[in-house]
Amino acid sequence: DGGITQSPKYLFRKEGQNVTLSCEQNLNHDAMYWYRQDPGQGLRLIYYSQIVNDFQKGDIAEGYSVSREKKESFPLTVTSAQKNPTAFYLCASRGSMETQYFGPGTRLLVL
Amino acid sequence: LAKTTQPISMDSYEGQEVNITCSHNNIATNDYITWYQQFPSQGPRFIIQGYKTKVTNEVASLFIPADRKSSTLSLPRVSLSDTAVYYCLVGDDRGSTLGRLYFGRGTQLTVWP
Repeated sequence: DGGITQSPKYLFRKEGQNVTLSCEQNLNHDAMYWYRQDPGQGLRLIYYSQIVNDFQKGDIAEGYSVSREKKESFPLTVTSAQKNPTAFYLCASRGSMETQYFGPGTRLLVL
Repeated sequence: LAKTTQPISMDSYEGQEVNITCSHNNIATNDYITWYQQFPSQGPRFIIQGYKTKVTNEVASLFIPADRKSSTLSLPRVSLSDTAVYYCLVGDDRGSTLGRLYFGRGTQLTVWP
């Protein structure tokens, strides 16, 4: 069953703590994306990767970091430098000549 | 860096046809026009995509005039379950280039009984 999975569904972060959101896809897609969505707002691009071992900053990369060591995986770390991390985080992937497919999302809350 | 403009919200009643127009004055030659649907606390879902003229699938129709500077998503006979946010995107969504796409704020469609 092909698709994109994100975990966990809900994540709680304490002040000053780094947390990592998981994104895995088995669609054999080269490109992967991380978006942030705040209530009533559209999607804002955090980071994206077009190929393994390469990634580019999006519009709101400050306070976040990513890695792309494997084609299937694109984890996002929300660092302590991100002062307002509470949001809904969406991962997507895309293959050549295909549109974007989105995961179910992770909701991050600050304790 | 918004490349599209669409209404923030629209209201309709069950059984009516809904048309959501998107403006994209600076669309590039290689850009496709793609619409996504998003329900609360879920990831966006692809609805339809087109390059020019008219495209129809089992869910919606997409009308694109010759100058391609705007497009209209048409949802026939909406139901309560069509209440969602609809995003219009322009970009090389299905090309060989796997770069970024631009999401705006979308249009909140509310269908009333």
